Amino acid sequence: EAQVTQNPRYLITVTGKKLTVTCSQNMNHEYMSWYRQDPGLGLRQIYYSMNVEVTDKGDVPEGYKVSRKEKRNFPLILESPSPNQTSLYFCASSTTGVTEAFFGQGTRLTVV
Amino acid sequence: KNQVEQSPQSLIILEGKNCTLQCNYTVSPFSNLRWYKQDTGRGPVSLTIMTFSENTKSNGRYTATLDADTKQSSLHITASQLSDSASYICVVTPAGNNRLAFGKGNQVVVIP
Repeated sequence: EAQVTQNPRYLITVTGKKLTVTCSQNMNHEYMSWYRQDPGLGLRQIYYSMNVEVTDKGDVPEGYKVSRKEKRNFPLILESPSPNQTSLYFCASSTTGVTEAFFGQGTRLTVV
Repeated sequence: KNQVEQSPQSLIILEGKNCTLQCNYTVSPFSNLRWYKQDTGRGPVSLTIMTFSENTKSNGRYTATLDADTKQSSLHITASQLSDSASYICVVTPAGNNRLAFGKGNQVVVIP
């Protein structure tokens, strides 16, 4: 089954403790991206990647890092999480061009 | 700053009735416009994708229109069902980059 898988689905952590949210897709998609969704603000793009070893900032990249060492994986790294990064995070993938994007199930992160 | 405005923010409709959601954008130059459906707690699912040259696209009971001259799009839901209760998100891709512009969504509630 074609899918985008995020882990974990839920995470509660403390301020400053490094964490990684994984994202993996099995559709051989070139394009992958991360978003956060907050009440009243909608979805906002954090980082995206056009292909292996090619990443670029979205609208809200501060406090986040990404890497794209393999085509199927695009982890989101929070080196020193802060409470304002409490949010619902989504990973998505697609082929390049004007094509449908597939989203993961979401990761609900709480930083206390 | 590129912006996408959606209206109404929320609406309640009776099962079986039609409704139309609006999306106005200022993104320029423009590549494509997408409508997504997002059920509560789940990732968005693509409904339609339209490029500059397309002015209507259907997906079952969902029909999207695009007027690239006035920078307006609409999503029409025909004969609404309870399962149509969701948030509908308009997303615009600028030409030349992948920094997507998201609307905040139209929250639709269908009641029996």
